[in-house]
Amino acid sequence: EAGVTQSPTHLIKPRGQQATLRCSPISGHTSVYWYQQALGLGLQFLLWYDEGEERNRGNFPPRFSGRQFPNYSSELNVNALELEDSALYLCASPGGSVFYEQYFGPGTRLTVT
Amino acid sequence: GQSLEQPSEVTAVEGAIVQINCTYQTSGFYGLSWYQQHDGGAPTFLSYNALDGLEETGRFSSFLSRSDSYGYLLLQELQMKDSASYFCAAPLGQNFVFGPGTRLSVLP
Repeated sequence: EAGVTQSPTHLIKPRGQQATLRCSPISGHTSVYWYQQALGLGLQFLLWYDEGEERNRGNFPPRFSGRQFPNYSSELNVNALELEDSALYLCASPGGSVFYEQYFGPGTRLTVT
Repeated sequence: GQSLEQPSEVTAVEGAIVQINCTYQTSGFYGLSWYQQHDGGAPTFLSYNALDGLEETGRFSSFLSRSDSYGYLLLQELQMKDSASYFCAAPLGQNFVFGPGTRLSVLP
Protein backbone atom coordinates (compact mmCIF):
# COMPACT_ATOMS: atom_id res chain seq x y z
CA GLU A 1 0.00 0.00 0.00
CA ALA A 2 1.17 3.53 -0.69
CA GLY A 3 2.45 5.51 2.27
CA VAL A 4 1.63 9.02 3.36
CA THR A 5 2.36 11.57 0.66
CA GLN A 6 2.78 15.32 0.98
CA SER A 7 3.19 18.17 -1.44
CA PRO A 8 5.00 20.34 -2.15
CA THR A 9 8.37 19.26 -0.80
CA HIS A 10 9.50 22.84 -0.37
CA LEU A 11 7.54 26.06 -0.27
CA ILE A 12 8.89 29.59 -0.07
CA LYS A 13 6.46 32.39 0.69
CA PRO A 14 6.79 36.02 1.67
CA ARG A 15 5.61 37.22 5.04
CA GLY A 16 1.92 38.08 5.10
CA GLN A 17 0.96 35.68 2.31
CA GLN A 18 -0.88 32.36 2.56
CA ALA A 19 0.57 28.86 2.26
CA THR A 20 -1.33 25.71 1.35
CA LEU A 21 0.11 22.30 2.12
CA ARG A 22 -1.39 18.98 1.06
CA CYS A 23 -1.38 15.47 2.44
CA SER A 24 -2.78 12.11 1.41
CA PRO A 25 -2.99 9.45 4.14
CA ILE A 26 -2.30 5.78 3.75
CA SER A 27 -4.87 4.30 1.38
CA GLY A 28 -8.03 3.41 3.25
CA HIS A 29 -7.12 5.36 6.39
CA THR A 30 -9.49 8.08 7.42
CA SER A 31 -7.39 10.04 9.93
CA VAL A 32 -4.79 12.71 9.27
CA TYR A 33 -2.65 14.44 11.88
CA TRP A 34 -0.67 17.60 11.15
CA TYR A 35 2.46 18.59 13.07
CA GLN A 36 4.85 21.52 12.98
CA GLN A 37 8.55 20.93 13.58
CA ALA A 38 10.66 24.06 13.82
CA LEU A 39 14.35 23.60 13.07
CA GLY A 40 16.06 21.55 15.73
CA LEU A 41 12.93 21.21 17.82
CA GLY A 42 10.35 18.58 18.59
CA LEU A 43 6.99 18.02 16.95
CA GLN A 44 4.08 20.22 17.92
CA PHE A 45 0.59 18.89 17.30
CA LEU A 46 -1.42 21.16 14.99
CA LEU A 47 -4.63 19.50 13.82
CA TRP A 48 -6.38 16.15 13.66
CA TYR A 49 -8.94 15.28 11.00
CA ASP A 50 -11.01 12.15 10.80
CA GLU A 51 -13.88 11.25 8.51
CA GLY A 52 -13.91 14.77 7.11
CA GLU A 53 -14.23 16.50 10.46
CA GLU A 54 -11.77 18.46 12.56
CA ARG A 55 -11.51 16.42 15.77
CA ASN A 56 -8.94 18.40 17.68
CA ARG A 57 -6.42 21.19 17.34
CA GLY A 58 -3.27 22.12 19.14
CA ASN A 59 -2.27 25.40 20.69
CA PHE A 60 -1.92 27.37 17.46
CA PRO A 61 -3.61 30.60 16.36
CA PRO A 62 -6.69 30.50 14.11
CA ARG A 63 -4.65 31.48 11.05
CA PHE A 64 -3.63 27.81 11.01
CA SER A 65 -6.57 25.96 9.54
CA GLY A 66 -7.34 23.10 7.26
CA ARG A 67 -9.84 20.66 5.95
CA GLN A 68 -10.24 17.06 4.95
CA PHE A 69 -11.77 16.03 1.67
CA PRO A 70 -14.14 13.12 0.96
CA ASN A 71 -11.20 11.02 -0.26
CA TYR A 72 -9.54 11.67 3.15
CA SER A 73 -6.74 13.78 1.75
CA SER A 74 -6.16 16.95 3.71
CA GLU A 75 -5.05 20.51 3.26
CA LEU A 76 -3.32 22.76 5.79
CA ASN A 77 -3.62 26.49 5.29
CA VAL A 78 -1.46 29.03 7.03
CA ASN A 79 -2.67 32.59 6.60
CA ALA A 80 -0.84 35.86 7.24
CA LEU A 81 2.50 34.09 7.28
CA GLU A 82 5.03 35.10 9.90
CA LEU A 83 8.75 34.43 9.91
CA GLU A 84 8.39 32.02 12.83
CA ASP A 85 6.08 29.83 10.74
CA SER A 86 9.17 28.62 8.91
CA ALA A 87 9.30 24.93 9.77
CA LEU A 88 8.88 21.39 8.55
CA TYR A 89 5.20 20.49 8.41
CA LEU A 90 4.53 16.82 8.80
CA CYS A 91 1.40 14.87 8.11
CA ALA A 92 0.79 11.49 9.74
CA SER A 93 -1.63 8.65 9.32
CA PRO A 94 -2.26 6.27 12.25
CA GLY A 95 -1.35 2.66 11.59
CA GLY A 96 -4.36 0.39 11.50
CA SER A 97 -6.85 1.01 14.25
CA VAL A 98 -4.32 2.16 16.81
CA PHE A 99 -3.33 5.78 16.70
CA TYR A 100 -0.19 5.50 18.78
CA GLU A 101 1.63 4.03 15.77
CA GLN A 102 1.77 6.90 13.31
CA TYR A 103 3.21 6.84 9.82
CA PHE A 104 4.62 10.14 8.66
CA GLY A 105 4.88 11.67 5.24
CA PRO A 106 8.15 13.21 4.06
CA GLY A 107 7.02 16.68 5.11
CA THR A 108 6.82 20.09 3.52
CA ARG A 109 9.60 22.54 4.32
CA LEU A 110 7.99 25.98 4.53
CA THR A 111 10.28 28.99 4.45
CA VAL A 112 8.80 32.42 5.11
CA THR A 113 10.92 35.29 3.77
CA GLY B 1 0.17 19.56 32.64
CA GLN B 2 1.28 17.36 29.81
CA SER B 3 5.00 17.19 29.19
CA LEU B 4 7.74 14.73 28.42
CA GLU B 5 11.39 15.25 29.18
CA GLN B 6 14.41 13.74 27.48
CA PRO B 7 18.14 14.43 27.53
CA SER B 8 19.09 16.68 24.64
CA GLU B 9 22.13 14.71 23.50
CA VAL B 10 23.73 11.32 23.94
CA THR B 11 27.02 10.13 22.45
CA ALA B 12 28.24 6.54 22.20
CA VAL B 13 30.64 4.46 20.15
CA GLU B 14 29.85 1.89 17.53
CA GLY B 15 28.99 -1.49 19.01
CA ALA B 16 28.05 -0.07 22.39
CA ILE B 17 24.70 0.02 24.20
CA VAL B 18 22.91 3.29 24.89
CA GLN B 19 19.82 4.12 26.89
CA ILE B 20 17.64 7.15 26.16
CA ASN B 21 15.37 8.13 29.01
CA CYS B 22 11.98 9.78 28.97
CA THR B 23 10.09 11.05 31.98
CA TYR B 24 6.57 12.31 31.74
CA GLN B 25 3.93 14.30 33.52
CA THR B 26 0.61 13.65 31.94
CA SER B 27 -2.98 13.05 32.77
CA GLY B 28 -4.89 10.23 31.16
CA PHE B 29 -1.72 8.37 30.27
CA TYR B 30 -2.20 5.48 27.83
CA GLY B 31 1.35 4.45 27.00
CA LEU B 32 4.64 5.58 25.53
CA SER B 33 5.78 5.52 21.90
CA TRP B 34 9.24 5.98 20.45
CA TYR B 35 10.17 7.45 17.07
CA GLN B 36 13.43 7.82 15.19
CA GLN B 37 14.16 10.76 12.93
CA HIS B 38 17.24 11.12 10.75
CA ASP B 39 18.34 14.60 9.71
CA GLY B 40 16.10 15.86 6.93
CA GLY B 41 13.78 12.89 7.24
CA ALA B 42 10.41 12.11 8.71
CA PRO B 43 9.92 10.35 12.05
CA THR B 44 9.54 6.60 11.87
CA PHE B 45 7.74 4.54 14.50
CA LEU B 46 9.96 2.27 16.61
CA SER B 47 7.89 0.90 19.48
CA TYR B 48 5.01 1.36 21.88
CA ASN B 49 4.61 0.33 25.51
CA ALA B 50 1.07 0.17 26.80
CA LEU B 51 1.99 -1.90 29.83
CA ASP B 52 4.88 -1.86 32.26
CA GLY B 53 7.90 -3.87 31.25
CA LEU B 54 10.23 -4.41 28.37
CA GLU B 55 9.33 -4.70 24.69
CA GLU B 56 12.05 -6.01 22.39
CA THR B 57 12.29 -5.47 18.66
CA GLY B 58 15.61 -6.60 17.27
CA ARG B 59 18.42 -4.34 18.48
CA PHE B 60 15.93 -1.90 20.00
CA SER B 61 14.05 -2.38 23.25
CA SER B 62 11.70 -0.08 25.09
CA PHE B 63 10.74 -0.07 28.73
CA LEU B 64 7.94 1.54 30.70
CA SER B 65 7.32 2.01 34.40
CA ARG B 66 4.00 3.72 35.05
CA SER B 67 4.62 3.93 38.78
CA ASP B 68 7.78 5.94 38.12
CA SER B 69 6.35 7.90 35.13
CA TYR B 70 9.44 6.82 33.26
CA GLY B 71 10.44 4.95 30.18
CA TYR B 72 13.53 4.37 28.11
CA LEU B 73 14.68 3.24 24.72
CA LEU B 74 17.62 0.85 24.68
CA LEU B 75 19.72 0.54 21.56
CA GLN B 76 22.19 -2.34 21.39
CA GLU B 77 25.07 -3.06 19.04
CA LEU B 78 25.08 0.54 17.93
CA GLN B 79 25.71 1.24 14.28
CA MET B 80 26.65 4.48 12.57
CA LYS B 81 23.22 4.55 10.94
CA ASP B 82 21.64 4.82 14.39
CA SER B 83 22.84 8.43 14.58
CA ALA B 84 19.54 10.29 14.64
CA SER B 85 17.10 12.04 16.93
CA TYR B 86 14.85 9.91 19.09
CA PHE B 87 11.51 11.12 20.40
CA CYS B 88 9.26 9.68 23.02
CA ALA B 89 5.57 10.42 22.58
CA ALA B 90 2.48 9.90 24.65
CA PRO B 91 -1.01 9.60 23.22
CA LEU B 92 -3.12 11.91 25.34
CA GLY B 93 -6.78 11.94 24.60
CA GLN B 94 -6.90 12.32 20.85
CA ASN B 95 -3.52 13.98 20.56
CA PHE B 96 0.08 13.05 20.67
CA VAL B 97 2.54 14.95 22.83
CA PHE B 98 6.13 14.52 21.72
CA GLY B 99 9.17 14.94 23.87
CA PRO B 100 11.83 17.44 22.77
CA GLY B 101 13.99 14.67 21.32
CA THR B 102 17.41 13.22 22.08
CA ARG B 103 20.12 13.54 19.49
CA LEU B 104 22.20 10.37 19.41
CA SER B 105 25.67 10.56 17.89
CA VAL B 106 27.40 7.26 17.22
CA LEU B 107 31.17 7.57 16.93
CA PRO B 108 33.42 5.10 15.09
